[in-house]
Amino acid sequence: AAGVIQSPRHLIKEKRETATLKCYPIPRHDTVYWYQQGPGQDPQFLISFYEKMQSDKGSIPDRFSAQQFSDYHSELNMSSLELGDSALYFCASSYLAGGPETQYFGPGTRLLVL
Amino acid sequence: GQQLNQSPQSMFIQEGEDVSMNCTSSSIFNTWLWYKQDPGEGPVLLIALYKAGELTSNGRLTAQFGITRKDSFLNISASIPSDVGIYFCAGHLGNEKLTFGTGTRLTIIP
Repeated sequence: AAGVIQSPRHLIKEKRETATLKCYPIPRHDTVYWYQQGPGQDPQFLISFYEKMQSDKGSIPDRFSAQQFSDYHSELNMSSLELGDSALYFCASSYLAGGPETQYFGPGTRLLVL
Repeated sequence: GQQLNQSPQSMFIQEGEDVSMNCTSSSIFNTWLWYKQDPGEGPVLLIALYKAGELTSNGRLTAQFGITRKDSFLNISASIPSDVGIYFCAGHLGNEKLTFGTGTRLTIIP
């Protein structure tokens, strides 16, 4: 079965640079979630989109923005990168219109800020 | 905000032993999910629970949605080496973000 696809899998940036992470949800899924996971931590919710509209917002820095496109893929844009932004970034998708919600996670993007 | 307390934090067991871990919440949830995460990989969904009192199995895994809607447990029977990893419980009240537990790191001693 098709899973959530994230790209790139690994990314190295320097401080103050920008980064764009991409997420392709499972086909037919209408909702995308972004999470950040630091070393030894549980995933922390950043932001979500349902049918291309922002549906919920968590602890996402103002330097970050995201959107969901007409084909339901989503991009997380990160600017003015800081050392503390180094983490695993996960995208999850779900089919909200289909009933009880279950989120399926992608393999993640490991971001290293030097 | 909501907090999920997951215990134990870590477990060291021998192959073939049974494993039990649980999560408790300060608030009620409508959905409990259990995930397994290998290092550097995304969480993989193991079991989803949607109704209070629900008991669901997936192979050697069994999970229950507590009747108070504030807790859930996961049991793994007859552990095998590939069970090693970090197990997270997660819950949500409605169509919203997941709140994750602190994780249980499972190590199998040869």
